[in-house]
Amino acid sequence: GAGVSQTPSNKVTEKGKYVELRCDPISGHTALYWYRQSLGQGPEFLIYFQGTGAADDSGLPNDRFFAVRPEGSVSTLKIQRTERGDSAVYLCASSLGRYFGETQYFGPGTRLLVL
Amino acid sequence: AQKITQTQPGMFVQEKEAVTLDCTYDTSDQSYGLFWYKQPSSGEMIFLIYQGSYDEQNATEGRYSLNFQKARKSANLVISASQLGDSAMYFCAMREGFPAPGANNLFFGTGTRLTVIP
Repeated sequence: GAGVSQTPSNKVTEKGKYVELRCDPISGHTALYWYRQSLGQGPEFLIYFQGTGAADDSGLPNDRFFAVRPEGSVSTLKIQRTERGDSAVYLCASSLGRYFGETQYFGPGTRLLVL
Repeated sequence: AQKITQTQPGMFVQEKEAVTLDCTYDTSDQSYGLFWYKQPSSGEMIFLIYQGSYDEQNATEGRYSLNFQKARKSANLVISASQLGDSAMYFCAMREGFPAPGANNLFFGTGTRLTVIP
């Protein structure tokens, strides 16, 4: 079956602009996660959805970052007033949402560059 | 303190040889899970293997095995019979404390870049 997909694959924007990053999880997965990976680092957790609700948004760095998942499937990560420090790869992952040791399946990521 | 520590920024291994990638973790929870992911140059994170804190046997998945030493808080990945396609970044990650808050996210180390030499 289809894996996690993310669009766009690359995004270049100017400082101060607004961007939206989209994630389409594996069908049937109720849990969805956003991570951010800076160059030379491992992914860092941003936000976790169980169904439509954000169950844990403790990783969002500040109020410029916001994410939604209105119908419990596709999710959009929104970044307002982008800054150069927001440049990173934004990874989305999904999982069944049923048990503790379940695997999170990652998408290919969106590479965001803020000029 | 870092939750996941990977002390080897880069490793080299001869094709067909075995290699061990180190990972130590830090948690006070009794219930946690340890994962290894592979990230090729394409960027996608590929799940390799999982070990639960209560699992008594070391996890194995094909050529991958996890050397779990609970008392030492280490979860090293062993890749046997290395192949050229194994060249990639490898990340160790931990999920801890179900059902505590924040139990759903993975904490990742900084990764180890493995290069397989023909």
